[in-house]
Amino acid sequence: DIQMTQSPSVLSASVGDRVTLNCKASQNINKYLNWYQQKLGEAPKLLIYNTNNLQTGIPSRFSGSGSGTDYTLTISSLQPEDVATYFCFQHNSWPTFGAGTKLELK
Amino acid sequence: QVQLQQSGAELAKPGSSVKISCKASGYTFTSYYISWIKQTTGQGLEYIGYINTGSGGTNYNEKFKGKATLTVDKSSSTAFMQLSSLTPDDSAVYYCAEGHYWGQGVMVTVSS
Repeated sequence: DIQMTQSPSVLSASVGDRVTLNCKASQNINKYLNWYQQKLGEAPKLLIYNTNNLQTGIPSRFSGSGSGTDYTLTISSLQPEDVATYFCFQHNSWPTFGAGTKLELK
Repeated sequence: QVQLQQSGAELAKPGSSVKISCKASGYTFTSYYISWIKQTTGQGLEYIGYINTGSGGTNYNEKFKGKATLTVDKSSSTAFMQLSSLTPDDSAVYYCAEGHYWGQGVMVTVSS
């Protein structure tokens, strides 16, 4: 199975900061990479699909990029409601998830 | 809008089985596969497998073969997952998902 490694595991940032979360695959996943946001006690919510496609209803401050094995989720201006854990997910082959990045407010 | 409504929390004894449901609405049920995902604090998110809602064909993570059985009832637009021979390691939140949308999750607790 493809291993997905997310970094950092915990990120502290201030409101208004530009935030970058990383996800590295153990092999090329051909941009079949989704990002999910999970708030405490809730189901994961899709933010970005296939590397850089913004899911309907998601604020434009979220964006994704990457190719090959390296992918990034960027929040252009962090808002208090963005506090959550973020997971990457590859579906190029048998689907696997990253362990998550917990985003906190500084 | 697309909704996946899952059944309620389960408390089960070791060795028993549970069957959880996922009722879909807001789209053509047989147009999209339904996936099932396990979430625990220790193991994170694990992809259990998926079912082709049109044909009933299934594909399982090797780890969950013999543990999970996926079925559908097209007449009610509902997918099911049965978990058998439960152990405490099966305690988790289980989600169904259709492409971009997830159910709210079902907490399964296995305890004597």
